Amino acid sequence: DAGVIQSPRHEVTEMGQEVTLRCKPISGHNSLFWYRQTMMRGLELLIYFNNNVPIDDSGMPEDRFSAKMPNASFSTLKIQPSEPRDSAVYFCASTPSQLAVVNEQYFGPGTRLTVT
Amino acid sequence: GDSVTQMEGPVTLSEEAFLTINCTYTATGYPSLFWYVQYPGEGLQLLLKATKADDKGSNKGFEATYRKETTSFHLEKGSVQVSDSAVYFCALRELTGGGNKLTFGTGTQLKVEL
Repeated sequence: DAGVIQSPRHEVTEMGQEVTLRCKPISGHNSLFWYRQTMMRGLELLIYFNNNVPIDDSGMPEDRFSAKMPNASFSTLKIQPSEPRDSAVYFCASTPSQLAVVNEQYFGPGTRLTVT
Repeated sequence: GDSVTQMEGPVTLSEEAFLTINCTYTATGYPSLFWYVQYPGEGLQLLLKATKADDKGSNKGFEATYRKETTSFHLEKGSVQVSDSAVYFCALRELTGGGNKLTFGTGTQLKVEL
């Protein structure tokens, strides 16, 4: 079974450039999450989707960040324009039906973003 | 709102030492509780879980018991190995109100030395 797939694994870009991170959840999973991890702030939930619909985007830091889930097998997180303080590891996670009693989240390997 | 509090790290132990990482939570309902582990350069993986009071989750020699009376879910292992060096995250999921959102603690780094 393929797990959660993220691309690219590493991204180095210059300040002001647009960055797009991609995620393919596990087939059949209905919920998808985007997290950001830094030394200073730890693991932060940015946004999550149920059945492709954004449910809670209160963790999105500002308007420069946007996320979409056009279908059940693909999501993007876009930063435009990027800034050095956006440097972090971005994780995508997915989980099965929200109706299940216990839902563990399955994490992807992460995208390490460096903005210079 | 829901919250999870973990002991601060790093925790440094010698191989074969006993491990305890404390975790307490605040929740309005009856949450499920989880421990995730993150090895260097990787994403988080589920280590163990418990869904109701007095349940004990266990995996790879690690254990944690869901204590409703003390709102705790402390992680323990009797004899740690160098390969257990990682960051450990405690998390909860509320069962009421729907949704799949997990609330994570800040993580505790464990370093095991020979």
